[in-house]
Amino acid sequence: QSALTQPASVSGSPGQSITISCTGTSSDVVNYNSVSWYQQHPGKAPKLMISEVSNRPSGVSNRFSGSKSGNTASLTISGLQAEDEADYYCSSYTTSSTRVFGGGTKLTVL
Amino acid sequence: EVQLVESGGGLVQPGGSLRLSCAASGFTLSDYYMDWVRQAPGKGLEWVGRTRDKAKSYATEYAASVNGRFTISRDDSKNSLNLQLNSLKTEDTAVYYCARDEYGGFTYWGQGTLVTVSS
Repeated sequence: QSALTQPASVSGSPGQSITISCTGTSSDVVNYNSVSWYQQHPGKAPKLMISEVSNRPSGVSNRFSGSKSGNTASLTISGLQAEDEADYYCSSYTTSSTRVFGGGTKLTVL
Repeated sequence: EVQLVESGGGLVQPGGSLRLSCAASGFTLSDYYMDWVRQAPGKGLEWVGRTRDKAKSYATEYAASVNGRFTISRDDSKNSLNLQLNSLKTEDTAVYYCARDEYGGFTYWGQGTLVTVSS
């Protein structure tokens, strides 16, 4: 199972919006809504930000939103804040009953 | 409060074995799917494997990279999850996290335990 494809890095200024893409295949993203997104700060455990494509867990800011179209899922962060600077990972369920992660995207807040 | 605490990491030689544990509190482990995820130093997240809940007979699935070498088990009496790592390779060096698997995502994570495979 190959990793999902994410851009290595994205950046934006405070207050702006950014979108991180996550591209998969018919073996994962296309056929499942079990796509989730995680935020990870250095030295910390990952934190669930979005589950099932677009569901935001309790306590996660509504500045974070998720969507999916075809083989690509997306995470959008609006009103960018300094604390959003972190690594972001997408994940999907697969036809092999396994899970696969994306390679990760480093978000820099300028 | 839900908590997951991993333990058992350390330094092991190539070809060796190690057993990791994940102690759960604040919920009944047998009611949930539980996964292991690892992260090599400076690298991204990699899914290792899953054990389904008691209703699904604790069935397990593994990533191809560890299948046949790693085994996930549970100890309901201790409300804990285990990961047995055998035939370890240098590329298994990573921080290993346990995570609760529900609603299409990993909702709770432990703090991780570091496994270093080196001679």
